[in-house]
Amino acid sequence: GAGVSQSPSNKVTEKGKDVELRCDPISGHTALYWYRQRLGQGLEFLIYFQGNSAPDKSGLPSDRFSAERTGGSVSTLTIQRTQQEDSAVYLCASSLATTSGGARINEQFFGPGTRLTVL
Amino acid sequence: DAKTTQPPSMDCAEGRAANLPCNHSTISGNEYVYWYRQIHSQGPQYIIHGLKNNETNEMASLIITEDRKSSTLILPHATLRDTAVYYCIVDKAAGNKLTFGGGTRVLVKP
Repeated sequence: GAGVSQSPSNKVTEKGKDVELRCDPISGHTALYWYRQRLGQGLEFLIYFQGNSAPDKSGLPSDRFSAERTGGSVSTLTIQRTQQEDSAVYLCASSLATTSGGARINEQFFGPGTRLTVL
Repeated sequence: DAKTTQPPSMDCAEGRAANLPCNHSTISGNEYVYWYRQIHSQGPQYIIHGLKNNETNEMASLIITEDRKSSTLILPHATLRDTAVYYCIVDKAAGNKLTFGGGTRVLVKP
């Protein structure tokens, strides 16, 4: 079946502009995650959705960053007034997750990412 | 979440087994050991996970010590396509963000 898809694959923008990044998770996956990876660095967690709510936003670096998820499916990450330090690959992942403490494993399926370059 | 320690890099000959160690001495009883890998310019890919028993799937084997303080990921017959950064992560079951450390950069050489 189809995996996690993200769009656009590449985005070049000017400093100060707003950008929207889209993630289409695997159908039926209730959990959705956004991560960021700067060049040569590891992954940084940004935000986690369970359904349409976000129980963990602890990784969002500033109030310029926001995300929403509608219909328990597609998610959009918005960065306002972009800065050069926002340049990175933004990765989305989804999983069949529960928060009930049950036995579901934390197997996350990652999309190919959106490479954001802020000039 | 427990922290993990991995060697920063290792080389492996094509066709040979690659044994990737991971220390997780502060792992708690309800935390699983997960392995992911990230091939250049791609998103991370799940490989395998375990709690206390050894596990095997079509990609790899996972050996967890009896005290659960360390584990080894085994790629039985490494190929050039296995060149990647391999991440060992310990985490509770579903619903948590994954905390990626530095990983081990594995280079499979012909």
